[in-house]
Amino acid sequence: NAGVTQTPKFRVLKTGQSMTLLCAQDMNHEYMYWYRQDPGMGLRLIHYSVGEGTTAKGEVPDGYNVSRLKKQNFLLGLESAAPSQTSVYFCASRRRRQETQYFGPGTRLLVL
Amino acid sequence: GENVEQHPSTLSVQEGDSAVIKCTYSDSASNYFPWYKQELGKRPQLIIDIRSNVGEKKDQRIAVTLNKTAKHFSLHITETQPEDSAVYFCAASLWGTSYDKVIFGPGTSLSVIP
Repeated sequence: NAGVTQTPKFRVLKTGQSMTLLCAQDMNHEYMYWYRQDPGMGLRLIHYSVGEGTTAKGEVPDGYNVSRLKKQNFLLGLESAAPSQTSVYFCASRRRRQETQYFGPGTRLLVL
Repeated sequence: GENVEQHPSTLSVQEGDSAVIKCTYSDSASNYFPWYKQELGKRPQLIIDIRSNVGEKKDQRIAVTLNKTAKHFSLHITETQPEDSAVYFCAASLWGTSYDKVIFGPGTSLSVIP
């Protein structure tokens, strides 16, 4: 039982490049989330999903897209990376009837 | 929009002393308040949580109190140890509805000095 995993762990992009971050969970959780963490700002919700095939916007969705084609996977895409998207990205998941979110180990992204 | 404030931003205590971190939230409908601990380079992990129908909850050296009227909640750590050093985040959410968003505070960096 790996819990929540994220791929890759670290990535460097040039401005304008695109990439996809993968979040996978093996706990059969219905809800999945993408956050970004910046110094002094806590965790801010980018997008979330309440089930396979559904997604919704969070606090800071601009510049990101997501997809939840399979229940266990939640993908975060950056179509044209900008330096402002340099951050640590955390994925999380939870059961529908439980409040506790379980976080992945994070992906550190640097956009030059 | 919804907002969670957290104070202090940094806190240093001597080993064995108590530490208190305070949060306020803006959305009076919030009903679930978790606290997360994040060690350097690691993922946030839930350490304690409280629902709006409870005023206080305790788990060994950690306790959380909630004042719904004032929209305040606090984390209390007693008999602090060096391994308590980390960043602590409070959060507020409206759980159990289709509005599924958790708003986090900016974090408190706690240092426990041996």
